[in-house]
Amino acid sequence: DTAVSQTPKYLVTQMGNDKSIKCEQNLGHDTMYWYKQDSKKFLKIMFSYNNKELIINETVPNRFSPKSPDKAHLNLHINSLELGDSAVYFCASSQGLGGRGYNEQFFGPGTRLTVL
Amino acid sequence: EDQVTQSPEALRLQEGESSSLNCSYTVSGLRGLFWYRQDPGKGPEFLFTLYSAGEEKEKERLKATLTKKESFLHITAPKPEDSATYLCAVQAPPGTASKLTFGTGTRLQVTL
Repeated sequence: DTAVSQTPKYLVTQMGNDKSIKCEQNLGHDTMYWYKQDSKKFLKIMFSYNNKELIINETVPNRFSPKSPDKAHLNLHINSLELGDSAVYFCASSQGLGGRGYNEQFFGPGTRLTVL
Repeated sequence: EDQVTQSPEALRLQEGESSSLNCSYTVSGLRGLFWYRQDPGKGPEFLFTLYSAGEEKEKERLKATLTKKESFLHITAPKPEDSATYLCAVQAPPGTASKLTFGTGTRLQVTL
């Protein structure tokens, strides 16, 4: 059974287009995240939601808008795509924000976005 | 700002040749230090969490240790299937949610 799933796995699009990436987790976790991994494999947090509430919003262009319709889903919409948006985007989830054992994050397989 | 530095950047070992990967960190109050394994084209896979200096965790050929300034991932008698990128991440104290700050990883290749 897939714990954290993302669609699509690959996304190739033209500059200026708008696209969305979807994420679902079946772990019963309360917290979900979006990370960006650049060409040098550096993984950086973008957003986090806890129980559908935005709790982390890093310095990300406002062309990126996360949406969490429920605790099990976190989508990422990107407007007016730019060349520099090309990267692998990972969704992750954790049980919560509490103490030990709640913070381990489990990652999806990633979505490779290529902007031409 | 939290910082994580991993070394070496890349490591090539022969099967059975034990070694250690280093993760140095600076953080204002460590909440947890995490090790992940990432295979090409896949998402990071959780390995260990360490919470306080002196703590150790083991899983098969891997053993993670933690001091106040760094963590080591010891690989004993590695096999080719241990080849992957190993990522270290730190979590800052309460008030910063569950934000993880990652290092750039160590690319490990184990050959026959």
